[in-house]
Amino acid sequence: DADVTQTPRNRITKTGKRIMLECSQTKGHDRMYWYRQDPGLGLRLIYYSFDVKDINKGEISDGYSVSRQAQAKFSLSLESAIPNQTALYFCATSVGTGGNYGYTFGSGTRLTVV
Amino acid sequence: TQLLKQSPQFLSIQEGENLTVYCNSSSVFSSLQWYRQEPGEGPVLLVTVVTGGEVKKLKRLTFQFGDARKDSSLHITAAQTGDTGLYLCAGDRSGGSNYKLTFGKGTLLTVNP
Repeated sequence: DADVTQTPRNRITKTGKRIMLECSQTKGHDRMYWYRQDPGLGLRLIYYSFDVKDINKGEISDGYSVSRQAQAKFSLSLESAIPNQTALYFCATSVGTGGNYGYTFGSGTRLTVV
Repeated sequence: TQLLKQSPQFLSIQEGENLTVYCNSSSVFSSLQWYRQEPGEGPVLLVTVVTGGEVKKLKRLTFQFGDARKDSSLHITAAQTGDTGLYLCAGDRSGGSNYKLTFGKGTLLTVNP
């Protein structure tokens, strides 16, 4: 099993629908992150969580919400999906002081909003 | 404003050639990392550099962190087709407990047989 698992891998949804992307990890890391990747824009941070009771907005949190259900689970929700939320979404984890350790990424969820 | 600027954006070379890609910023970073991403997958960490002037080698890949900790380079010797991918640099400015990464947009490398 992968260290960081994202489900679903691919999803097509309609404008206005609510959708949840899920992330689970077996690394035992406290910190979890959600990024989106768009061509020409790179990886941008949506939300991050340093432990179960800590949730923080990233640079592009509007239109998104998150839930940290347990140390190992961090979900990203789009309350009312819109076409410009079409992107590749990545979940990542890290240890507490990660400067020397880096992130471990999941394989991504490709989301298309039509 | 782009915090980490990577160049070139695209690079296409023949197998066996050498190449260097760059990651530049006007900000100081407490650590800087390089990742490689293949199509359909998440980025995978290659190396972390934390000390100004540091040089790290990973087989045919050489990573350097600038003396002022504002820039970095990745040099690949005798590139192979398996080196094809998107190379991302990422930096942490906060250090310590507030650690989170900012990513550059990447260099898309294609190594042709």
